[in-house]
Amino acid sequence: NAGVTQTPKFQVLKTGQSMTLQCAQDMNHEYMSWYRQDPGMGLRLIHYSVGAGITDQGEVPNGYNVSRSTTEDFPLRLLSAAPSQTSVYFCASSSLAGEQFFGPGTRLTVL
Amino acid sequence: AQKITQTQPGMFVQEKEAVTLDCTYDTSDQSYGLFWYKQPSSGEMIFLIYQGSYDEQNATEGRYSLNFQKARKSANLVISASQLGDSAMYFCAMRETSYDKVIFGPGTSLSVIP
Repeated sequence: NAGVTQTPKFQVLKTGQSMTLQCAQDMNHEYMSWYRQDPGMGLRLIHYSVGAGITDQGEVPNGYNVSRSTTEDFPLRLLSAAPSQTSVYFCASSSLAGEQFFGPGTRLTVL
Repeated sequence: AQKITQTQPGMFVQEKEAVTLDCTYDTSDQSYGLFWYKQPSSGEMIFLIYQGSYDEQNATEGRYSLNFQKARKSANLVISASQLGDSAMYFCAMRETSYDKVIFGPGTSLSVIP
């Protein structure tokens, strides 16, 4: 099993550009989520999903879109990148009650 | 509203000693789960231990134990016999059954001194 995979590992964008961070899991987990990690602030929840076709906002959803067309995939879209979105992004998956398994993270820099 | 507080930004512990990392939480749900994760300098997130709100006994996993005090809404992580490899960031997290989402605290940086 690959677990949770994220691509790319690193990305540099210019202000105003859009991009999609990919996340996939092969554990048949219902729950998937996206977090951003900034120094001193822990992991903040951006969006989450409890199954295909169902998504909901987390703590810091502005500037990000998600969709969940399959159980395996949960892409995160940055609509118009801003320097404030410079961060490390983690995708995670779990059963509805279990511990989360995390991807390796994507380090995003917006210039 | 869900909230996790970790009041110790940084902690030091002597090798082989025990250390307690604090976590308090706020929730109106009766059913919830509490998690601790470790993040070493390599950046990966490692699950350590889980406590359910209805569990009568404190959770233990090897050198990790969770001191769960439901009335005080605290879920402190105890690491016994600290090792140099325990130096890392530690995050407390909570999942409310009603809302499913999992939120994290700001973390505690633990340094183990030889």
